[in-house]
Amino acid sequence: EIVLTQSPATLSLSPGERATLSCRASQSVSSYLAWYQQKPGQAPRLLIYDASNRATGIPARFSGSGSGTDFTLTISSLEPEDFAVYYCQQRSNWPLWTFGQGTKLEIK
Amino acid sequence: EVQLVQSGAEVKKPGESLKISCKGSGYSFTSYWIGWVRQMPGKGLEWMGIIYPGDSDTRYSPSFQGQVTISADKSISTAYLQWSSLKASDTAMYYCARSIAAADPYNWFDPWGQGTLVTVSS
Repeated sequence: EIVLTQSPATLSLSPGERATLSCRASQSVSSYLAWYQQKPGQAPRLLIYDASNRATGIPARFSGSGSGTDFTLTISSLEPEDFAVYYCQQRSNWPLWTFGQGTKLEIK
Repeated sequence: EVQLVQSGAEVKKPGESLKISCKGSGYSFTSYWIGWVRQMPGKGLEWMGIIYPGDSDTRYSPSFQGQVTISADKSISTAYLQWSSLKASDTAMYYCARSIAAADPYNWFDPWGQGTLVTVSS
């Protein structure tokens, strides 16, 4: 099973600041990595797929990069609605798709 | 608008059976895979399995094979997740989600249903 390790576990920033979230895979997942946002009491929402493609309706301040084992989600300028938990997920090998443990982005 | 609407919260006792549902609308239900994801209290997300409503082709994650049954009724655009004998450890939020690409099981899933909270307690 491919383990995804997200860092940091918690990120405290202020609106307007830049956020950089990391996801590291225990073995290569090529570009088969996505990022999801989950707000309290809500379902996850797909932000980025195939490492760097924004999903439909996702603002341009969200961007993804990386390939192989190291991936980054960047939020260029935080808006109040961006404070949430972010998960990465790999789909390199069904049926062993896995999620990271999440990064909580909180208001400083 | 593509929507997945899940059935309401359930409170069950250990050993009881349960079937929760996920109704799709706003798209061709038979053309996209539906997946189920578990989120245990305060924990992360786990893929359980996927189903293609067009022909009921179903694939399970090893951790959930034999523990749950995934099915679909295409006549009413609804997918199901069921247990024959619940355990306390099945207490979790369960989400359904739709594949973003038609007929492709090994793709990303979005949108997601609102979730169904299942509580199993004696």
